[in-house]
Amino acid sequence: DQQVKQNSPSLSVQEGRISILNCDYTNSMFDYFLWYKKYPAEGPTFLISISSIKDKNEDGRFTVFLNKSAKHLSLHIVPSQPGDSAVYFCAAGGYGGATNKLIFGTGTLLAVQP
Amino acid sequence: EAQVTQNPRYLITVTGKKLTVTCSQNMNHEYMSWYRQDPGLGLRQIYYSMNVEVTDKGDVPEGYKVSRKEKRNFPLILESPSPNQTSLYFCASRKDTQETQYFGPGTRLLVL
Repeated sequence: DQQVKQNSPSLSVQEGRISILNCDYTNSMFDYFLWYKKYPAEGPTFLISISSIKDKNEDGRFTVFLNKSAKHLSLHIVPSQPGDSAVYFCAAGGYGGATNKLIFGTGTLLAVQP
Repeated sequence: EAQVTQNPRYLITVTGKKLTVTCSQNMNHEYMSWYRQDPGLGLRQIYYSMNVEVTDKGDVPEGYKVSRKEKRNFPLILESPSPNQTSLYFCASRKDTQETQYFGPGTRLLVL
């Protein structure tokens, strides 16, 4: 059973507009969430994270929102740029301590059209 | 340059022929981990290591072995590869006080 779900396999957005990528999880024990970006033929790279004690974390054009009651998090990219085109993975872990085990979603392919 | 390296990057082998995928990091990270990426399944953790001589199973450890004799190296061993181990493999590392993992470039394995 998939504990972390990204229900949209792909998303297409126009350059300059907002991209919203969604992620749902089932385990209420998760207390740390991360987003990774992956380009073809490369390993995933860390993008942004959020602790369960927060509901929002911002880093430049990237903002992650966490809704614990709905077990839902989202990544907002504003404004979207063609270089943002990649696969985005959300991941969850923590179990009250260090992230020994990270559970990843299946990924969303974002295409930003010029 | 701080990095995680994996070798080989591409490997084609046959069923039952033992192989090792190496992983090395130069960041003095305590924690290292192996993942496999498959279509529709995302990244799944195979094994992880909290420090030298300390390893534990992830979600999909069957058919794999690991060792952590040195802090910088964390090889993944397939004693008797099977076609269902055809996948894209990633090694990752992080400091034990941080959550952010740094990934290697990946090893694409095909088992015939």
